[in-house]
This record gives sequence, structure tokens and C-alpha cells, in this order.
Amino acid sequence: SYELTQPPSVSVSPGQTASITCSGHKLGDKYACWYQQKPGQSPVLVIYEDNKRPSGIPERFSGSNSGNTATLTISGTQATDEADYYCQAWDSSTAVFGGGTKLTVL
Amino acid sequence: QVQLQESGPGLVKPSETLSLTCTVSGGSISNYFWSWIRQPPGKGLEWIGYIYYSGSTNYNPSLKSGVTISVDTSKNQFSLKVRSVTAADTAVYYCARDKGGSGYGAGMDVWGQGTTVTVSS
Repeated sequence: SYELTQPPSVSVSPGQTASITCSGHKLGDKYACWYQQKPGQSPVLVIYEDNKRPSGIPERFSGSNSGNTATLTISGTQATDEADYYCQAWDSSTAVFGGGTKLTVL
Repeated sequence: QVQLQESGPGLVKPSETLSLTCTVSGGSISNYFWSWIRQPPGKGLEWIGYIYYSGSTNYNPSLKSGVTISVDTSKNQFSLKVRSVTAADTAVYYCARDKGGSGYGAGMDVWGQGTTVTVSS
């Protein structure tokens, strides 16, 4: 079965740029989405179709996808961005989520 | 603004059937795909399957044999049944809307608040 691999944790200082990667076989040939989940809350879609932001998502969130890796980039990271982030793609009609990355802003 | 609300028993006995319903308010269930996703305590997200408003379904092969998703367009609801549950089915269950379905990258843009289901005798 298809797998998406994310680093378990990423740390960033406030105001700096955070990058979270998601790796999968030929992931660049598929669309990648990214979700933010804060403790006790439902996931929120922050990036779809590799690099598009839904309405209401700040411009500091951006995405890219090429080769075997999709990347979520948060520019000017704020304390409110501290959360778990999950990538997601479709493979053989199955939605696959990455294992999640805990972003710590310190 | 579309909102989703999960409902159903919070406690299910082992070997029994877990049944949940998701009610769509503020918009129509038509023309979208509707997914169920679960999250075991302290773990990541697992997609269970989706149903198109017309009734066509698609399930996660790892769960397929025990899962059924159905839709009732007259009530703007869709439902999940998981048969013969075990402790491994203990999780927060979410319903979500997907604009594109399989192969598209539109993402799951509206989520319910989630409902906790515990499997225990």
C-alpha cells in the first residue's frame, strides 16, 4: 500500500520559516493537500492542489510538490501556527494521510 | 456556511456494529463527496471511505470488508457502519466534505467536530 512519510517533529523560532516535508513514491505525479490540527480540534485544510490556499488561510502558508516530495512552508511563523500538520494524497482511489508532523514554535 | 455534525453512540461493545450519522446543514449534500476519517487516541488520521451524493462509494481497502457508507439525500445525511468492532476501532470519528474525490486534489474542506467512539465491554 502507498505510504506518505513525514518527520515526527519540526521546531522553528517565531518569525522564521518552517518547512515540513512529505515523501512518497512519485508523489509529484499526484496532488498533495495539507491539514493543520490543533489539540482537541478538527483538522483544517490549509493547502490543496499542491499549492492553493483555501479562503481564510493566511498567505504565509504555501506548498510545493515535485519528484517524491511535497513541502509545506510557513513563512514568518507565528505562535498560533503550533499544531500537527498532515499531508494527504490519493493513490489507487484511496486517500492516504502522512503520519503527521508536530510543529513547535519556540 | 456548510456545517457537519456527527452523531451516534459513544460506547460500543466488542463484536457489535458501530453506527454514526453525519448531518449536513447550511448547504446541500448534492454534488460533493462525503468522507469518514478516524483518529485513534494520540495517533494520526485514517481515511475510512467516501460516498458521492448519488450513492457510489469508495472504501479504504484495509477496512473495506467491515465498512458500509450510505447516504440519505432527503435528510441531508450520510452514515457509517463498522461491523464486528474491536478495541482497535476506538477513535475520534470525523465526517468531512471533499469537492473532488479520488485522484483530485481539492481536499477535504469542511469537517465535523468529531465524535469519540470507545469500544469496550
